[in-house]
Amino acid sequence: AQSVTQLDSQVPVFEEAPVELRCNYSSSVSVYLFWYVQYPNQGLQLLLKYLSGSTLVESINGFEAEFNKSQTSFHLRKPSVHISDTAEYFCAVSGTGTDSKLTFGTGTRLQVTL
Amino acid sequence: GAGVSQTPSNKVTEKGKYVELRCDPISGHTALYWYRQSLGQGPEFLIYFQGTGAADDSGLPNDRFFAVRPEGSVSTLKIQRTERGDSAVYLCASSRDYTGELFFGEGSRLTVL
Repeated sequence: AQSVTQLDSQVPVFEEAPVELRCNYSSSVSVYLFWYVQYPNQGLQLLLKYLSGSTLVESINGFEAEFNKSQTSFHLRKPSVHISDTAEYFCAVSGTGTDSKLTFGTGTRLQVTL
Repeated sequence: GAGVSQTPSNKVTEKGKYVELRCDPISGHTALYWYRQSLGQGPEFLIYFQGTGAADDSGLPNDRFFAVRPEGSVSTLKIQRTERGDSAVYLCASSRDYTGELFFGEGSRLTVL
C-alpha cells in the first residue's frame, strides 16, 4: 500500500514569485508519481508524472517536479507563478504493477495574488 | 465531447433513499475508477474496473455501496440507504493503460439531507 503526505494545505504567493508545493510518499514497492491540478469549477487533470528515466519532469505550463527516492519526495516547483495558476494541487502515487490505483494526498491550495 | 461524462452533476436526496450515479468513460478506455472526495480532502479510492469485472473494490466503505459495469463501458455506482456521511463529490475516471494517467469527469455532487 502507498500513502501521500502534503503538509501544506494552503500556499499564498504573489504573482511572479517562485513556489514549491511539497509532497512526500510512502511505499514498500516501486512507484509512479503524479501531480494533478483542479482549477475552480473544473475536474481533476494531470499536470505531470514520473514513470521512469530522468528524475526531473516538466509540464507544458512551466511547472517541474523532481523524484527524490532517498527522501521519498516529489515536490512541485515553478520559478514564476501567474494568477491563472490558482488552483488545488494533488500529489498522487501508484505502484508500477498492473494495479494502477492512485492514492492521493489531501491537496494544497495555491492562491496567487497581485 | 470526448471526455468522461458523469450524471447527474448534482443530486440531493433524503437519508435512507437509494441513489444511482452514472459514468460514461472515454471511448476505448478499458479501466474505470470511482473515487469519492469530501470537502478539504483528496480523492479517496472506491473501486476499479478492468473491462466488466471489478479488479479492486477494496475502497468501498460498506455493503451499501455497489458498482457495476455490465458491458465494459458505462458504469453505475449504487448507494443504498443513504446516510448524511455519504455526502461528497463522487468522481469517475478512466484510463487506457497502467501508467496511472487517469482522465477524470467533473463529478457528481451528492447531498444527503
